[in-house]
Amino acid sequence: KAGVTQTPRYLIKTRGQQVTLSCSPISGHRSVSWYQQTPGQGLQFLFEYFSETQRNKGNFPGRFSGRQFSNSRSEMNVSTLELGDSALYLCASSSDSTNEKLFFGSGTQLSVL
Amino acid sequence: QQQVKQSPQSLIVQKGGISIINCAYENTAFDYFPWYQQFPGKGPALLIAIRPDVSEKKEGRFTISFNKSAKQFSLHIMDSQPGDSATYFCAAKNSGYALNFGKGTSLLVTP
Repeated sequence: KAGVTQTPRYLIKTRGQQVTLSCSPISGHRSVSWYQQTPGQGLQFLFEYFSETQRNKGNFPGRFSGRQFSNSRSEMNVSTLELGDSALYLCASSSDSTNEKLFFGSGTQLSVL
Repeated sequence: QQQVKQSPQSLIVQKGGISIINCAYENTAFDYFPWYQQFPGKGPALLIAIRPDVSEKKEGRFTISFNKSAKQFSLHIMDSQPGDSATYFCAAKNSGYALNFGKGTSLLVTP
């Protein structure tokens, strides 16, 4: 079974631009979560989707948004990029609706210049 | 604010030694405590997890010790190997859908 796939692997953007990151969960997993990982803050929860519905959102500004499609694939978007948005963005999928066991992708490394 | 506090930030252990990483939490609603292991260039992977109704769980060389009254839990890696060199994250979860992670411990096991 293929793991969680995230594209692109690396991304370089400039301040003010917007970016879209993509995540394909493990086949059959209906839950997708997004986390931001930085050296200073560790892993911070962004949002979670289950069957196209956002069930939970972390404490991030409205510039961060996401969605899930009917095939469980998910995208997250960051508008008006700031330098502080530079981070590794991790997507995780789960087969259980409570998200106790998360399977993470290798992430998208976003650098904002 | 960080709901799970993890220490130490970094750890160096000799091959064959015991690695110990500690975590503490305040929210008594947490009822699931996993540990994740992350190698460079990879996403975190679930290593072992425990619920508060048990005080210890062992899987191979990895053991979680849980102290409910102290609101602390720890990961012990016995007979540490260079291949265990990675970043380890503790986490906690309540009935919600998100994991609350500690800031991570970078473990280096020297030959």
